[in-house]
Amino acid sequence: GENVEQHPSTLSVQEGDSAVIKCTYSDSASNYFPWYKQELGKRPQLIIDIRSNVGEKKDQRIAVTLNKTAKHFSLHITETQPEDSAVYFCAAYTRGFQKLVFGTGTRLLVSP
Amino acid sequence: NAGVTQTPKFQVLKTGQSMTLQCAQDMNHNSMYWYRQDPGMGLRLIYYSASEGTTDKGEVPNGYNVSRLNKREFSLRLESAAPSQTSVYFCASVPQGKTEAFFGQGTRLTVV
Repeated sequence: GENVEQHPSTLSVQEGDSAVIKCTYSDSASNYFPWYKQELGKRPQLIIDIRSNVGEKKDQRIAVTLNKTAKHFSLHITETQPEDSAVYFCAAYTRGFQKLVFGTGTRLLVSP
Repeated sequence: NAGVTQTPKFQVLKTGQSMTLQCAQDMNHNSMYWYRQDPGMGLRLIYYSASEGTTDKGEVPNGYNVSRLNKREFSLRLESAAPSQTSVYFCASVPQGKTEAFFGQGTRLTVV
């Protein structure tokens, strides 16, 4: 089955710095890779996603890149702000958009 | 439109007791999922249901059973609770033809 690995588990940056979170997946049939943000005590919410036929996608300060050959994808946050502090999860859909598997999460702390 | 609703929000069980976690969505979504969230382990898939009438095992199904009662409801049952099942449980649903997963507010379960 699909296995999604995520690194690092924790990431501390200063406000204004960039943050990068990396994930790898095992199932070459995976075709869609979303990223979720979970603030403390709340439910995960989708922030950005990328499909297997796209190499990069941007939405304001966040961007995702995908390397299908290497089976890895990354989340990039620029000009970080304290409100970016949260746990971020990468995920992968497999089995034709039926099965959604998550990574182990990255706790991002942005210090003022 | 309440979205995805989980009941109960909190529960304490004694080892060996049974209980059912309820999940209902009012958005006419097709796919539904149960995850457990433990520190450092991310969101691990327990069971999922790609459509009404079908269920499949995820990464950590042992000790759990599920029922997709109808399109709206997807319940998770612990037949004989163990301390290792202490966790926060999230239900999620995805609209047909779409990819964004919508999460419930979570159930914090403690088994003593």
